[in-house]
Amino acid sequence: AQRVTQPEKLLSVFKGAPVELKCNYSYSGSPELFWYVQYSRQRLQLLLRHISRESIKGFTADLNKGETSFHLKKPFAQEEDSAMYYCALSTLRGNQGGKLIFGQGTELSVKP
Amino acid sequence: EPEVTQTPSHQVTQMGQEVILRCVPISNHLYFYWYRQILGQKVEFLVSFYNNEISEKSEIFDDQFSVERPDGSNFTLKIRSTKLEDSAMYFCASSDSGYTFGSGTRLTVV
Repeated sequence: AQRVTQPEKLLSVFKGAPVELKCNYSYSGSPELFWYVQYSRQRLQLLLRHISRESIKGFTADLNKGETSFHLKKPFAQEEDSAMYYCALSTLRGNQGGKLIFGQGTELSVKP
Repeated sequence: EPEVTQTPSHQVTQMGQEVILRCVPISNHLYFYWYRQILGQKVEFLVSFYNNEISEKSEIFDDQFSVERPDGSNFTLKIRSTKLEDSAMYFCASSDSGYTFGSGTRLTVV
């Protein structure tokens, strides 16, 4: 079954602390994994995708096929990082018509 | 940067009424989608649309739902007879090499 699991509903950290938002997936093929961010009920914005291997706003995520994980990390959290974060899996390469399967989302709260 | 536009931002309707949610995808994108998010739950796939027909739909997308691309720009989601449980945020998206989401329509069925 295709599934994305984000075990933490809420993650609260202090500014400057490291952050790790967990994501595990279940998919029989070769998935394409994404992290989306949603600030204050705004639209879902792509944060990063595993195939690009880039760092956006200080966030990184590495696909670990052995552990079927795609955890999102940032070494020093900032208050402006407070938002909902969704891990998602695409069933087709390059998003060519593939649907996205989302996790439940993790609300990140960064306290001053 | 090109955007996916959704209207209205908020729609209140009475149970049993028909609603049409509107979306203008990015002009050179070929794939269009509707997702929904019930309050407090995860974002769920409803339907994908390509070449003027549905390419995939979920179990949620039953006979009460339909999609249409009536002209070259709009992409609509119609719910024929709304139920209380249809209350949710509905997101439109389009994709080429990557997804772009609209800001959503909050549908409240009373």
